[in-house]
Amino acid sequence: AQSVTQLDSHVSVSEGTPVLLRCNYSSSYSPSLFWYVQHPNKGLQLLLKYTSAATLVKGINGFEAEFKKSETSFHLTKPSAHMSDAAEYFCVVSPPSSNTGKLIFGQGTTLQVKP
Amino acid sequence: DTAVSQTPKYLVTQMGNDKSIKCEQNLGHDTMYWYKQDSKKFLKIMFSYNNKELIINETVPNRFSPKSPDKAHLNLHINSLELGDSAVYFCASSQVIGQAYYGYTFGSGTRLTVV
Repeated sequence: AQSVTQLDSHVSVSEGTPVLLRCNYSSSYSPSLFWYVQHPNKGLQLLLKYTSAATLVKGINGFEAEFKKSETSFHLTKPSAHMSDAAEYFCVVSPPSSNTGKLIFGQGTTLQVKP
Repeated sequence: DTAVSQTPKYLVTQMGNDKSIKCEQNLGHDTMYWYKQDSKKFLKIMFSYNNKELIINETVPNRFSPKSPDKAHLNLHINSLELGDSAVYFCASSQVIGQAYYGYTFGSGTRLTVV
């Protein structure tokens, strides 16, 4: 079965310091992987996606993620956190064998950014 | 101009009532979904329709009945509402190319509170 595990439920950083949100996936094949962000009381916004092209994926707002097949990881990073980055982040997998387009969400990581 | 729009944004109702949530997408996508986000912010798929045909039904109680009059609309009707139905419900859509799914776009959510 396909799944994603977000290794930290809560991450706290200071403004201007790097952000690392960790995600491991379980899949028999190379899946499609996504990171979504949800600001308080808002909908889900796509940050970036990996679909078997370049392993280093650049997204919006300075975020990027690297697909590492050997480690089955897809960690999200940003060099310098901004106060506006405080939100809930979801790592998401779409299994390649799926013919339904179903997305499987991780449990989410709450990012807190301190001034 | 909103790509995926849901109505209403907030819904407060009493136990036992019947209510509907509407979703419309103007992206020309073939597939639409309903996802439920619980109080712990965990997101899980409920239903998916592809060109008005039901393709995913994730063991959702029979009280929940999706209806897709055309591929741009996917409504969710809930009978005999229970306290446990309180959640945020997200509509989403995607495009199918071959067996791959692209362009997932989420609505802003409907916060349902059952009292």
